[in-house]
Amino acid sequence: AQSVTQLGSHVSVSEGALVLLRCNYSSSVPPYLFWYVQYPNQGLQLLLKYTSAATLVKGINGFEAEFKKSETSFHLTKPSAHMSDAAEYFCAVSDPLNDYKLSFGAGTTVTVRA
Amino acid sequence: DAGVTQSPTHLIKTRGQQVTLRCSPKSGHDTVSWYQQALGQGPQFIFQYYEEEERQRGNFPDRFSGHQFPNYSSELNVNALLLGDSALYLCASSRGQGEDTQYFGPGTRLTVL
Repeated sequence: AQSVTQLGSHVSVSEGALVLLRCNYSSSVPPYLFWYVQYPNQGLQLLLKYTSAATLVKGINGFEAEFKKSETSFHLTKPSAHMSDAAEYFCAVSDPLNDYKLSFGAGTTVTVRA
Repeated sequence: DAGVTQSPTHLIKTRGQQVTLRCSPKSGHDTVSWYQQALGQGPQFIFQYYEEEERQRGNFPDRFSGHQFPNYSSELNVNALLLGDSALYLCASSRGQGEDTQYFGPGTRLTVL
C-alpha cells in the first residue's frame, strides 16, 4: 500500500518569502502525485499533479513541485508567498496497483506574516 | 460549467440517527468518490462508485453505505451515528474508473451530538 508523509504540520512564512512544503511517499511502482489546497470551510482545490511526464510540474497560483524518484519526494514550492496563500495543503498519492485509490497526507497549514 | 456540488452544507444529528448526504458530479464525470475528513486530518477514502456500483472501499464499517444514480449523482448514508462520525464529508468526481484526476466539492459538515 502506498502512503504519504508531509513533514511539518505547520509552516509560517513572511510575505514575499519562499514557501516550501515537504512531501515524501512510499511506493513500489511510480505513482501519480497531487497537491491540493483547502481554504477554511471549503473543499479541496487541485494545485498540480504529476503523472510520469516532466518531473517539474507547474500548477496554479505560482506553485510548482518537483518529482524526485531517488528521494521519493514531491515537495511543493512557491518563490514568493502572498497573504492569499494562507491555507492547508495536502499531498496525495494515487496507487496504480490499487485502482488508483487516492491517499492523502495529514496536511500542512501555511500562515503568512505581513 | 458547474463543478461538484454537495448538499446540505451543514447538518446536525444526534447519536443513533441516520443521515444522507448528496453529491452531484462535475459535468462529464461518471465516477464519484467519498471521503471523510476529521478535524485537523487529511481526507480518508470511504468508497467509490462507478456505473452505479461500489468499486472500491476504504476501511470504514458497514454503517457507511452509498448509492449512485443513473445520472451519476450519488448519496452517502451513515446509520447509527456515533460522535466520532462528526467530520467534513467530501465528494469527488472523475472520469472513468482509474487514473483521472479527482475534483472535489465543498463538503458537508456533519456534527453528531
